[in-house]
Amino acid sequence: DAGVTQSPTHLIKTRGQHVTLRCSPISGHKSVSWYQQVLGQGPQFIFQYYEKEERGRGNFPDRFSARQFPNYSSELNVNALLLGDSALYLCASSLVGGGSTDTQYFGPGTRLTVL
Amino acid sequence: AQSVTQLGSHVSVSEGALVLLRCNYSSSVPPYLFWYVQYPNQGLQLLLKYTSAATLVKGINGFEAEFKKSETSFHLTKPSAHMSDAAEYFCAVTLTGGGNKLTFGTGTQLKVEL
Repeated sequence: DAGVTQSPTHLIKTRGQHVTLRCSPISGHKSVSWYQQVLGQGPQFIFQYYEKEERGRGNFPDRFSARQFPNYSSELNVNALLLGDSALYLCASSLVGGGSTDTQYFGPGTRLTVL
Repeated sequence: AQSVTQLGSHVSVSEGALVLLRCNYSSSVPPYLFWYVQYPNQGLQLLLKYTSAATLVKGINGFEAEFKKSETSFHLTKPSAHMSDAAEYFCAVTLTGGGNKLTFGTGTQLKVEL
């Protein structure tokens, strides 16, 4: 079975631009979460979606938004890019979005560089 | 709020030696605890998780971790290091009943020397 896939793998943007990152969860998984990993740090939680509804939001500005589609894939959008948005953006999927039996599986990430 | 602290941003061991990576957690309710590994330019791979069953948890690649409530610790060990274990390791916590938002530590870079 395919794992979590993310696209693109790398991209370069300039300050002020907008970016859209995409994630396809493991087949059968209904929850998708997004994390930002700045170089040298642990991942930071941005959003969780379950059954197309937002289940949680981390401490990120409103420039960050996301959505989940009927096929459970997800997009992360970032507006008005800043240099500090340069990071590895990780998507994780899980079956039910919580609970002792639920496990998050991570994709390979999208490396965003803002110049 | 929950948090984890990983002591030692870099750990170096000889091949065949014991690996010990430290993680302490802070949580107001019973936590679920995880160890993930990240190889260069890759995503995170789950090594093991604690979800309030057995306190000694066995994971993949010979790793294990013990949940000690009295010490609020969840240290990761492996009896004998292999060169392929060189990677960055992250401890993470999530709360029971709190969805699956993971809070990660800052990571420990493991170096394995011949």
